[in-house]
Amino acid sequence: AQSVTQLDSHVSVSEGTPVLLRCNYSSSYSPSLFWYVQHPNKGLQLLLKYTSAATLVKGINGFEAEFKKSETSFHLTKPSAHMSDAAEYFCAANAGGTSYGKLTFGQGTILTVHP
Amino acid sequence: SAVISQKPSRDICQRGTSLTIQCQVDSQVTMMFWYRQQPGQSLTLIATANQGSEATYESGFVIDKFPISRPNLTFSTLTVSNMSPEDSSIYLCSVAGGRRGTGELFFGEGSRLTVL
Repeated sequence: AQSVTQLDSHVSVSEGTPVLLRCNYSSSYSPSLFWYVQHPNKGLQLLLKYTSAATLVKGINGFEAEFKKSETSFHLTKPSAHMSDAAEYFCAANAGGTSYGKLTFGQGTILTVHP
Repeated sequence: SAVISQKPSRDICQRGTSLTIQCQVDSQVTMMFWYRQQPGQSLTLIATANQGSEATYESGFVIDKFPISRPNLTFSTLTVSNMSPEDSSIYLCSVAGGRRGTGELFFGEGSRLTVL
């Protein structure tokens, strides 16, 4: 069975400071991993994905994530937070194969950015 | 990435009624996926809809409660039947992007249902 755990339900940062959103996964397979962002009253937007190529993945809006197999982690980072980054972020995994299209999502992390 | 349009974007419904959500994609896709996001919760897959065949439902979801149609390669509907307040959720339509096996999904903006 596959599971995704986001270690923080809420993260609060000041504008201009670094962002770290933590995600751990558990899977019997080598999963594909994703980060999505959901702004209020909006759908989910794909930020970035890891699919067994480079372990450091760059996404949109300055976000990046590093896949660490030894730690089963896929943490999302950004060097400098912007007010527009305030949103909910979801980490997700896909085991591929017969699970194609089925994403297992973490519980979400709400990011608050203070001026 | 695909452009996915959902209708309605939000609705307020009475207990015991049913509501059909429409999902239109701007390109032909083999599979479409319906997810539910309950208030303050993460996303859960309801079912996978293939054109020309019965939808495949995940554990805990049944066809009588969530009937799905998939009449062509660009359109699908999800009906939430005999609604109760527990069905108040965001329902999201999604399609797969990328090469098979990478599995990222693209989502519509969701249909926000409140059941009174």
